[in-house]
Amino acid sequence: AAGVIQSPRHLIKEKRETATLKCYPIPRHDTVYWYQQGPGQDPQFLISFYEKMQSDKGSIPDRFSAQQFSDYHSELNMSSLELGDSALYFCASSERTGSVTEAFFGQGTRLTVV
Amino acid sequence: GIQVEQSPPDLILQEGANSTLRCNFSDSVNNLQWFHQNPWGQLINLFYIPSGTKQNGRLSATTVATERYSLLYISSSQTTDSGVYFCAVGRRFYNQGGKLIFGQGTELSVKP
Repeated sequence: AAGVIQSPRHLIKEKRETATLKCYPIPRHDTVYWYQQGPGQDPQFLISFYEKMQSDKGSIPDRFSAQQFSDYHSELNMSSLELGDSALYFCASSERTGSVTEAFFGQGTRLTVV
Repeated sequence: GIQVEQSPPDLILQEGANSTLRCNFSDSVNNLQWFHQNPWGQLINLFYIPSGTKQNGRLSATTVATERYSLLYISSSQTTDSGVYFCAVGRRFYNQGGKLIFGQGTELSVKP
């Protein structure tokens, strides 16, 4: 079965640089979520999109932005990177309008800021 | 917002032992999922269980939505069960919401 695809899997950036993370949801899923997981922490919700419109916003820094495109893939753009942005970034997708709203997660992008 | 508490925070088992992990949540939800995060960081879906009981091999889960808790049972544990188990809950109304709120996890270590 198709899963959520994230790229790249690993990314190393220097402070103040910019990073772009990509997410390809499961086909026919209409909702995409982004989460950030710091070392030893639980995943924290950043932002979500339903049918290409932003639907909810969590603890996402102003330096980060995201969008969902016409083919439903999503990108998380991170600017002016800081050491504290080093984390595992997950994308998840679900079918919100169905009776079952189970979310499936991609394998994550491990971002290291040096 | 909804609070999610998991217990115990850490658990060490001998291979073959059984265990029960608990998840308490502070408000009504219509989504509850259990995940296993393996040592490589991958979040693996175990159960989608907003209510009722499900079983999958050596694992089973029960959610009592009216009392706001869920239990994950692991029987005959194996070393490959090691990792962090997360409970995550969500609430969806019409086309709003749906994000998952995670508990802090239970870190399980199974010794041979």
